Amino acid sequence: QAGLTQPPSVSKGLRQTATLTCTGNSTNVGNQGAAWLQQHQGHPPKLLCTREYNRPSGISERFSASRSGNTASLTISGLQPEDETDYYCSAWDTSLHMWVFGGGTKLTVL
Amino acid sequence: EVQLVESGGDLVQPGGSLRLSCAASGFTFGSLWMSWVRQAPGKGLEWVAEITPGGSDKYYLDSVKGRFIISRDNAKNSLYLQMNNLRAEDTAMYYCGNFLVGWGQGTLVTVSS
Repeated sequence: QAGLTQPPSVSKGLRQTATLTCTGNSTNVGNQGAAWLQQHQGHPPKLLCTREYNRPSGISERFSASRSGNTASLTISGLQPEDETDYYCSAWDTSLHMWVFGGGTKLTVL
Repeated sequence: EVQLVESGGDLVQPGGSLRLSCAASGFTFGSLWMSWVRQAPGKGLEWVAEITPGGSDKYYLDSVKGRFIISRDNAKNSLYLQMNNLRAEDTAMYYCGNFLVGWGQGTLVTVSS
């Protein structure tokens, strides 16, 4: 079943801003938006932003989400060493009647 | 504070069954869609199943249709996943939650002879 497309890796410098992308189509990202999750090795996924662009309690304002057409973006400002990890996007597909995930982006903070 | 606690994972032989449970607290469980997602060792996240707040509608990943059943008990704030005819490729950490409140710590299912 079709998934969302994320770049496998992104590298940015400390205190810089990183923008991670997530591309789908008109039946998922373009229609319903995307949620974003962060996952450190050996830990469960943590919800960063809902598809309505809301941050759960306790999530830093440095994380923000947006969408343009069929592409969703997660922007992380003021990069910190602890931001170096894996990020996943997910969207509900109205045609497939399922949540589809991206393959994940590994963010490296230089 | 949102809490989701999964249990029931185990080592099981191919063809066997398991029932996963998830105890929820800290949010209005009965009003939200709930899901199970999984992650095979070294792999990415994969959605498995979702159930509507009242439990009347359920959605499944194609590869688990006919083998897995998602259910819920809103009086007990609990979510379940009955897993039958398990295959080696079902080996994964299973997480309960949703894309509004987040996910639990997970429970490990290993299918092997």
